[in-house]
Amino acid sequence: SSELTQDPAVSVALGQTVRITCQGDSLRSYYASWYQQKPGQAPVLVIYGKNNRPSGIPDRFSGSSSGNTASLTITGAQAEDEADYYCNSRDSSGVGNWVFGGGTKLTVL
Amino acid sequence: QLQLQESGPGLVKPSETLSLTCTVSGGSISSSSYYWGWIRQPPGKGLEWIGSIYYSGSTYYNPSLKSRVTISVDTSKNQFSLKLSSVTAADTAVYYCVIAAAGTNWFDPWGQGTLVTVSS
Repeated sequence: SSELTQDPAVSVALGQTVRITCQGDSLRSYYASWYQQKPGQAPVLVIYGKNNRPSGIPDRFSGSSSGNTASLTITGAQAEDEADYYCNSRDSSGVGNWVFGGGTKLTVL
Repeated sequence: QLQLQESGPGLVKPSETLSLTCTVSGGSISSSSYYWGWIRQPPGKGLEWIGSIYYSGSTYYNPSLKSRVTISVDTSKNQFSLKLSSVTAADTAVYYCVIAAAGTNWFDPWGQGTLVTVSS
């Protein structure tokens, strides 16, 4: 079982805004990071830290956090954003281990 | 920019030990403050962190796998490796090697991944 909880599936109409959430106690202490994974490909980091995008990630991707919930927002979703999205952070043990959410399948309608 | 490439057998028999190597290019594995780690993904399922080794040698393992996992670094070859013992079909997965910079929580970059199937 995962210490970070994500909705299994979310859908959004083309061009609309969608929020994907990640919940867990450790998120009160650590920022979540977000990864996009398309079929047959390795995950790609899209958001890290408070709200940072690696080079090459479109600015329609943004991150936020409140309490035990982190969110990935895609403003103006595009067809190419259809993918699986995973959050990750440190766990709540204090040892420093990492943990992933179960993933959210985003469908762009 | 650091790049990672996994290598190792694609087929392992049940009860045997899975061994994978990750070759680092674009920088020295011994001169950088990084966590060198492994993540796996069973077919059709989510990502699971297996463990990481700090450049100083400290290791961190997923508690659910800790009894079977060993991660080590070979500075002479600029590689780090994963050994997972007593494998079963449940260990069939794509295995990724990853980097996390010291003081961060995120993994970047990732290797392309390598599929390991456990079957007799």
